[in-house]
Amino acid sequence: KAGVTQTPRYLIKTRGQQVTLSCSPISGHRSVSWYQQTPGQGLQFLFEYFSETQRNKGNFPGRFSGRQFSNSRSEMNVSTLELGDSALYLCATSDRPSTDTQYFGPGTRLTVL
Amino acid sequence: AQSVTQLGSHVSVSEGALVLLRCNYSSSVPPYLFWYVQYPNQGLQLLLKYTSAATLVKGINGFEAEFKKSETSFHLTKPSAHMSDAAEYFCAVNIPGGAQKLVFGQGTRLTINP
Repeated sequence: KAGVTQTPRYLIKTRGQQVTLSCSPISGHRSVSWYQQTPGQGLQFLFEYFSETQRNKGNFPGRFSGRQFSNSRSEMNVSTLELGDSALYLCATSDRPSTDTQYFGPGTRLTVL
Repeated sequence: AQSVTQLGSHVSVSEGALVLLRCNYSSSVPPYLFWYVQYPNQGLQLLLKYTSAATLVKGINGFEAEFKKSETSFHLTKPSAHMSDAAEYFCAVNIPGGAQKLVFGQGTRLTINP
């Protein structure tokens, strides 16, 4: 099976712009979670999607949003980018919400100038 | 709410020496516990997990961890370090049947000296 795919792998944006990141889960996986990784804050949960519905959301401002499509692919969007949004954004997938193991993608490195 | 504390942001050992990375957790219910490894410019790879079965858990690459409820600990060990073990290691906690929301420790960077 192919692993979790995230596109693009690297992205450079300027303050005020918006960005969309994509995550394609492992075949058969329907649950997708997103995490932000920064040197200062570490790994923090952003949100979780299952069957096109957001099940949980972390403590992030409304500029961070996401969605999931019927094929389980997920996108996250960050509007009005700030310098502090520079981070590695990781998605993790599992076959269902109650399972114990998530599999991570390689991440998208976002740099905001 | 759950939390994880990893003691030591940097650990350095000699090749062939014992690796011990410490993790303590806090959870109001019996948790699931995980160790992930991250190599430079890569995502997270699962090393091992505790899901309420055996308390001594064996993972990939010769790593193992022991769940100690009385100490709320889940330390990661490897008897003999290899140069390829140099990476960042993360301990994480989740609640069985709950959200797919891992709570991570701050990570421990492991350096292996030749």
